[in-house]
Amino acid sequence: EVQLVQSGAEMKKPGESLKISCQGSGSSFTTHWIGWVRQMPGKGLEWMGIIYPGDSDTRYSPSFQGQVTISVDKSIFTAYLQWTSLQASDTAMYFCARYSDSRDYFDYWGRGTLVTVSS
Amino acid sequence: QSALTQPRSVSGSPGQSVTISCTGTSSDVGAYNWVSWYQQYPGNAPKLIIFDVTKRPSGVPDRFSGSKSGNTASLTISRLQAEDEADYHCCSYAGRYTLVFGGGTKLTVL
Repeated sequence: EVQLVQSGAEMKKPGESLKISCQGSGSSFTTHWIGWVRQMPGKGLEWMGIIYPGDSDTRYSPSFQGQVTISVDKSIFTAYLQWTSLQASDTAMYFCARYSDSRDYFDYWGRGTLVTVSS
Repeated sequence: QSALTQPRSVSGSPGQSVTISCTGTSSDVGAYNWVSWYQQYPGNAPKLIIFDVTKRPSGVPDRFSGSKSGNTASLTISRLQAEDEADYHCCSYAGRYTLVFGGGTKLTVL
């Protein structure tokens, strides 16, 4: 059974930096793209970007390019989503999820990390 | 890359059928037979219920079915049950390994 374990909820102030994580189970982590999805309060899902742990190839949505950084440490089966300067508008639930073998849908999801940015 | 368009809400009575539409463009829904649907209960992560337009993962009841015509995909839930009350999100492949989601639809079982 594939599991994606995300780091815990975060409460930050505007301007602060943050890095949240998503740890996968097993060696299949390095052979599947891992993505990040944002869900703002009461809203739909937004595809942010993906990374291939095998070689760190990364793709971003134009909406999030330059706003966040997706990275990976394949030695510990962990993907990351990072901000250098948070804004109140970054308040949201962030899910990591695994791409299917065919790379056209997410087959496994983490439980989400709630990020709250408030002064 | 604009979000796919879904109705904000739909409703139906137990035993009835409901259909949720998902409209995209010729660059996403219309271009690929790679539409997926996710069910999400409040406070939970999304769960895959349909992939590749019509396929169901193991364990998903056959009351859930998907279809597509042109730039619009649809999710139909037959024999509606109280437990189907949730949010439903459509998603389409949009080229170069990217995906685009819809805005989500809240299903209310009356």
